[in-house]
Amino acid sequence: DAGVIQSPRHEVTEMGQEVTLRCKPISGHDYLFWYRQTMMRGLELLIYFNNNVPIDDSGMPEDRFSAKMPNASFSTLKIQPSEPRDSAVYFCASTLGLASYNEQFFGPGTRLTVL
Amino acid sequence: AQSVAQPEDQVNVAEGNPLTVKCTYSVSGNPYLFWYVQYPNRGLQFLLKYITGDNLVKGSYGFEAEFNKSQTSFHLKKPSALVSDSALYFCAVRRAGGSYIPTFGRGTSLIVHP
Repeated sequence: DAGVIQSPRHEVTEMGQEVTLRCKPISGHDYLFWYRQTMMRGLELLIYFNNNVPIDDSGMPEDRFSAKMPNASFSTLKIQPSEPRDSAVYFCASTLGLASYNEQFFGPGTRLTVL
Repeated sequence: AQSVAQPEDQVNVAEGNPLTVKCTYSVSGNPYLFWYVQYPNRGLQFLLKYITGDNLVKGSYGFEAEFNKSQTSFHLKKPSALVSDSALYFCAVRRAGGSYIPTFGRGTSLIVHP
C-alpha cells in the first residue's frame, strides 16, 4: 500500500491566488481528516469526512477555506483567495473508523508558502 | 471534553541513555491513547496505542508507554536512545466510545546527542 498520498508536496504562491491541495486516502479507509500545522498553533484539525460526507468543519478558519470529497479516493482542500497567514504545512490523514481506537495514517504533507 | 498536555517542549538526552517523553490527558470516561512521531519534513507516523488491558504498551522502534490511570498519564519511554530517535513526538487521546476526532498535544521535540 502506498499510504496516504498528497500533492503537491510544496506550493509557493502569491497572496490572492487560489490554492488547491489534494489527497488520496488509503484504500478502504472511511474517515478522512485535514490538518494544518504551524509553529504557533501546533496541529489543528480543519475538517473531517466520513464516507465522503463532511461531518465537522468547525476547524475551518474562514470562508476562504473549502474542502470536498467527491469520491472515496480523492479529497481537495481549497483556499481562495490565499493570504500569507495561510502559510503552513497541511496534512491529510485517513483511518478505518470501525472503532475509534484505530490509529490515523498521515500523508507527507503539503508545505504551503503564500508570499 | 478531552485534552492532552505535553509539558516539555523539548527533551534532550545522550545517546544510549533512557528517554522519557511525558503526556497527561483529561477525558470523561475511558481513554484511547496514542503516540505518533514526526521526522523532519514528514507526516506523523503511528508508534503505539493503549486501548485496554496491560498498562505497559510496546510499539515500534523499541518504544513503549505506560498507562497510569490514577495519574492520567501515558509517558513514552525507551531504554536506550539513538540519535535517529530525534524527532517531534505527539501524544493524542480519544474517549472510548466517543467521536473519531482525537485531541493532539502540542508535541515534544526529542533531541538525542551523540
